[in-house]
Amino acid sequence: GAGVSQSPRYKVAKRGQDVALRCDPISGHVSLFWYQQALGQGPEFLTYFQNEAQLDKSGLPSDRFFAERPEGSVSTLKIQRTQQEDSAVYLCASSWALVGIYNEQFFGPGTRLTVL
Amino acid sequence: DQQVKQNSPSLSVQEGRISILNCDYTNSMFDYFLWYKKYPAEGPTFLISISSIKDKNEDGRFTVFLNKSAKHLSLHIVPSQPGDSAVYFCAASASGYSGAGSYQLTFGKGTKLSVIP
Repeated sequence: GAGVSQSPRYKVAKRGQDVALRCDPISGHVSLFWYQQALGQGPEFLTYFQNEAQLDKSGLPSDRFFAERPEGSVSTLKIQRTQQEDSAVYLCASSWALVGIYNEQFFGPGTRLTVL
Repeated sequence: DQQVKQNSPSLSVQEGRISILNCDYTNSMFDYFLWYKKYPAEGPTFLISISSIKDKNEDGRFTVFLNKSAKHLSLHIVPSQPGDSAVYFCAASASGYSGAGSYQLTFGKGTKLSVIP
């Protein structure tokens, strides 16, 4: 398909485990965003990449959260030593827009993380 | 401190009638606004957007109105159809706000629309 894909769709982790969530953006999209959506809330910004450069990570809640996009396409969000409060849906979005141009972001289906 | 507010958690409308979903924002730096629709177990799907230089944008059955002085926008769906039943999110962004030039979206909590056949 031509949309944003994410894997796994569901992840259950024991508290203290490390997890890695993958995002495949739409081909050719230079901008990639990660959002966290808690139950009953809207998505909240975590971090932003333009190609391989991480230009904004102001939304990452702690230093346990780390994101990378080494070749400017696929991105991985890693959470170390998971805590129960990390339980949420993690959404990835991509956009063709460069800085200075407005454009809608296209979202993937999300990864639902449950930390026991 | 919510910068984007959707004060109605839910809305029920009869099929064929107009649905009006409302959104208020507090950050005067926001200059681009979007509406997304979300079905269960799926990611948000883009519906329609408007920049702050306009006060109305229309796309088929969907129209978004922006009142900058009131910091208010609304989404009108006419006529409403059962397939429109979903959660609708209002989102906003500010150019250059972060300094890095990212266009992170700030979302409201969503309004669940139910269209009754």
